Amino acid sequence: AQSVTQLGSHVSVSEGALVLLRCNYSSSVPPYLFWYVQYPNQGLQLLLKYTSAATLVKGINGFEAEFKKSETSFHLTKPSAHMSDAAEYFCAVSGGGADGLTFGKGTHLIIQP
Amino acid sequence: SAVISQKPSRDICQRGTSLTIQCQVDSQVTMMFWYRQQPGQSLTLIATANQGSEATYESGFVIDKFPISRPNLTFSTLTVSNMSPEDSSIYLCSVVSGFSIGTEAFFGQGTRLTVV
Repeated sequence: AQSVTQLGSHVSVSEGALVLLRCNYSSSVPPYLFWYVQYPNQGLQLLLKYTSAATLVKGINGFEAEFKKSETSFHLTKPSAHMSDAAEYFCAVSGGGADGLTFGKGTHLIIQP
Repeated sequence: SAVISQKPSRDICQRGTSLTIQCQVDSQVTMMFWYRQQPGQSLTLIATANQGSEATYESGFVIDKFPISRPNLTFSTLTVSNMSPEDSSIYLCSVVSGFSIGTEAFFGQGTRLTVV
């Protein structure tokens, strides 16, 4: 079984500041980890994924995440926030194979001008 | 990538009625899933839609309430039966194309359901 914990239901940063969204996971098998973004009234878009290759994963729109097995974490970062980054971000885990995804509760990212 | 079309995009329904949501994909896919996103909440997996056989439901979801069909590799339906206001949610179709572990899942735009 897998689970995901996202710390902070809301995160507010200033435009140009560092974005850090936290995700911790629990998995009984080697996990496959994903970050998705959801803009208002839209579906989910994949930002990046970890599938046991490089531990530092680069995604779209300047985001990246680092898989740390010792900390069971997969935090999402972006060096400089842009107003267009304001959205809901979901961390998700899969055990692989035919599994669906288990999502965290989501973090609403607010960008202050 | 896969392009997913979900219909309807939104609906307002009377309690006690049923609504069928359609999910059409522009290419054959390996796996199809249905998720529910309750207001202000995260996504919860309802079931895996299996082609030509009964869907596999997650704990807390039953076939009588959420019957699912998948007649081929590009189409699936989810029915929300005997609706109550608690069923008001966004329902999303998701697909995985390919057999590689960790393959990206694509999502439809969702169906926003309000039960009155």
